[in-house]
Amino acid sequence: SQQGEEDPQALSIQEGENATMNCSYKTSINNLQWYRQNSGRGLVHLILIRSNEREKHSGRLRVTLDTSKKSSSLLITASRAADTASYFCAPDNYGQNFVFGPGTRLSVLP
Amino acid sequence: SQTIHQWPATLVQPVGSPLSLECTVEGTSNPNLYWYRQAAGRGLQLLFYSVGIGQISSEVPQNLSASRPQDRQFILSSKKLLLSDSGFYLCAWIPQGAGANVLTFGAGSRLTVL
Repeated sequence: SQQGEEDPQALSIQEGENATMNCSYKTSINNLQWYRQNSGRGLVHLILIRSNEREKHSGRLRVTLDTSKKSSSLLITASRAADTASYFCAPDNYGQNFVFGPGTRLSVLP
Repeated sequence: SQTIHQWPATLVQPVGSPLSLECTVEGTSNPNLYWYRQAAGRGLQLLFYSVGIGQISSEVPQNLSASRPQDRQFILSSKKLLLSDSGFYLCAWIPQGAGANVLTFGAGSRLTVL
């Protein structure tokens, strides 16, 4: 499998603002997934976008995928303090092993 | 329902002591199982994964080893801990043959080596 690289490494915004984080990867994929990790907890799966999809929504989350640029973005709209967490992308190319990048640490200030 | 359990939740061990972290999955058969380590404020490092009983793939040379004695049990071990083994250890699983591989993580085990 391959590792995704999240950008930026850290992001600080005010409550109510939108947060955008990006993920780049290197080879072809079957799908790409985003996970969230609250401090001191395990990761939680947020959303999966397949390689033949360009955009997907889930509540306040919007994920885009550009396979020609090998990149994805995660947009969190109307952010809340509870969205404070680290966010990781996981490109999946049918591999059995999942490798995560360093993540984006999002801080939402009240 | 499908659940994953990790224990212990926290552990403080002296350098040179042994380690055993356990992970069990309920409500599924023949899952793929994973051990990750996360240093403070850092990303996840894949340590081991297993696609079946007795089948272990090591991703990074370590002072650690893994075993899968039963279908839904995954154990992380060390004979002699190093200071650098400190970290947050996460177990995860994926259903075998699932249409899409979505990882489900345990709550983690925090290890401090002194």
